Amino acid sequence: GESVGLHLPTLSVQEGDNSIINCAYSNSASDYFIWYKQESGKGPQFIIDIRSNMDKRQGQRVTVLLNKTVKHLSLQIAATQPGDSAVYFCAVRNDYKLSFGAGTTVTVRA
Amino acid sequence: DAGVIQSPRHEVTEMGQEVTLRCKPISGHNSLFWYRQTMMRGLELLIYFNNNVPIDDSGMPEDRFSAKMPNASFSTLKIQPSEPRDSAVYFCASSLTAGDEQYFGPGTRLTVT
Repeated sequence: GESVGLHLPTLSVQEGDNSIINCAYSNSASDYFIWYKQESGKGPQFIIDIRSNMDKRQGQRVTVLLNKTVKHLSLQIAATQPGDSAVYFCAVRNDYKLSFGAGTTVTVRA
Repeated sequence: DAGVIQSPRHEVTEMGQEVTLRCKPISGHNSLFWYRQTMMRGLELLIYFNNNVPIDDSGMPEDRFSAKMPNASFSTLKIQPSEPRDSAVYFCASSLTAGDEQYFGPGTRLTVT
């Protein structure tokens, strides 16, 4: 099976600074990775994904980096805003099955 | 679209009672998933339906848990009898097909006393 782990359970960041959340996975055959954001009282919401044939993908204020050699991916949030306060999960998808990491709680300081 | 709809949003029940959680997937989606979220175990897939048929129920904890999908617009997750360790947030998610992005509902927070 797939094991997905996060490096830090919490992250406190000053508003306007960049945030970096890290994640490790165990199965070198995994080829599709997703970052989710979960706000209080809501379900996980898709942020950005990346396939194993890429090492970087950018969205609006977010960038995902994938290092297949060390089985590591990261989510970078540029110019962090109060609305970015949430729990962030990385997930590995194999066919229909999502394996989630434990989540990093990001708190944005004003 | 209203997104995935779940009811109730909160449920408090006593140990031994039957609990039924409900889900309405996004119209047109043919894949439906039930997840459970706890502090200890995180987000876990309980069961996956494709075209109303259960495909993978390997995540269902034990026989006290059952799920049905009588039609494309409705699914239930039932726990009978409920136990305190079933306390968790239960999410329903749907996707267009099995390999597409999964859209999560707001969840049902279940507390069993």
